[in-house]
Amino acid sequence: QQQVKQSPQSLIVQKGGIPIINCAYENTAFDYFPWYQQFPGKGPALLIAIRPDVSEKKEGRFTISFNKSAKQFSLHIMDSQPGDSATYFCAASGGNTDKLIFGTGTRLQVFP
Amino acid sequence: GAGVSQTPSNKVTEKGKYVELRCDPISGHTALYWYRQSLGQGPEFLIYFQGTGAADDSGLPNDRFFAVRPEGSVSTLKIQRTERGDSAVYLCASSLSYVADTQYFGPGTRLTVL
Repeated sequence: QQQVKQSPQSLIVQKGGIPIINCAYENTAFDYFPWYQQFPGKGPALLIAIRPDVSEKKEGRFTISFNKSAKQFSLHIMDSQPGDSATYFCAASGGNTDKLIFGTGTRLQVFP
Repeated sequence: GAGVSQTPSNKVTEKGKYVELRCDPISGHTALYWYRQSLGQGPEFLIYFQGTGAADDSGLPNDRFFAVRPEGSVSTLKIQRTERGDSAVYLCASSLSYVADTQYFGPGTRLTVL
């Protein structure tokens, strides 16, 4: 019940494409859903986060869509660029602790 | 401003040895978290502190792992009798408070146990 399932494992798009990464969770106590971006040799960096009181949040080229009834959320990257090539992790937290439960990651490659 | 820093950046040790990994959180951040990331996996929670006390240590894999934060700032993760399976990147994160606030991660310490 603590797992966060992420797909796909890897994704290849051309510059300008809109990669979509999906995550699903089971624990209905989760109330905070961040997405992190990680480059090789670096720590994860927060991209965008959402709480279940809204169905969508947009920051720049990054959009989270959230479906509370389906217990799913997704990341869309608009007008993707080669510099977006990285590994993306969804995560969730809530209930009686603030530890983040991470998905297994999606390796995104954006080709020029 | 300065982010979360971790030292050393790399640590190579032999099986059975003791290691200490250090984390300096962002100044003023009251919550501090340790995670472990194996190759090709997402970070896995180990322990988190609110101030000086461990609020949740449910992720520590066994009693060989221990962490302290004596003054509510710097934290040290201690691993006794290291095993090859302990090899991973150990990540530290801090947040301004403990209420679902943004966690800022350090660059990690890559531990290799030979």
